[in-house]
Amino acid sequence: DTGVSQDPRHKITKRGQNVTFRCDPISEHNRLYWYRQTLGQGPEFLTYFQNEAQLEKSRLLSDRFSAERPKGSFSTLEIQRTEQGDSAMYLCASSSGQNNQPQHFGDGTRLSIL
Amino acid sequence: GQSLEQPSEVTAVEGAIVQINCTYQTSGFYGLSWYQQHDGGAPTFLSYNGLDGLEETGRFSSFLSRSDSYGYLLLQELQMKDSASYFCAVRRGRRALTFGSGTRLQVQP
Repeated sequence: DTGVSQDPRHKITKRGQNVTFRCDPISEHNRLYWYRQTLGQGPEFLTYFQNEAQLEKSRLLSDRFSAERPKGSFSTLEIQRTEQGDSAMYLCASSSGQNNQPQHFGDGTRLSIL
Repeated sequence: GQSLEQPSEVTAVEGAIVQINCTYQTSGFYGLSWYQQHDGGAPTFLSYNGLDGLEETGRFSSFLSRSDSYGYLLLQELQMKDSASYFCAVRRGRRALTFGSGTRLQVQP
């Protein structure tokens, strides 16, 4: 069973640069979620896809953030004009379409802004 | 909105039993979940309670009282590998989760 895969594992970039992260969910899962986690805190919801449709976005997701899931499989999260406050772990999770099924998380992409 | 409260740290010895409490406030409730996260690792699903009562999965049990907006995670026969952070989370509608700040469990020999 292949779990949720995220790439890259770590990203270091200068303030003002754009970054893009990729998430490959578990193959049979049609629901995909992005979360952000900072040190000592729980994951915070960013956005949710069901198949290719982005159905919910958090207020945390400013206009510098955009997420896509073009074919209903992998997803990308792009941050434009990165800021110091964007430094965090970005986690992707997926679940099946059945109610109350658990979300399975990837190992995350750790973003560090210099 | 939604908020969850859980203790920030708990310490216990190997072989002991520990209970991690979680209280929540939410405008809509679709169940309480528990996740474990080791340092540098991914959150891993442990348990889900949609209805009142106790759910048991091996050494781990989880309890929910919807009338009290309260739940707990019970870990029995603690092992060193149980040292991790534990998060309670409520479901937002039927989709995304809102997590607590986590409880860091330190198991001592």
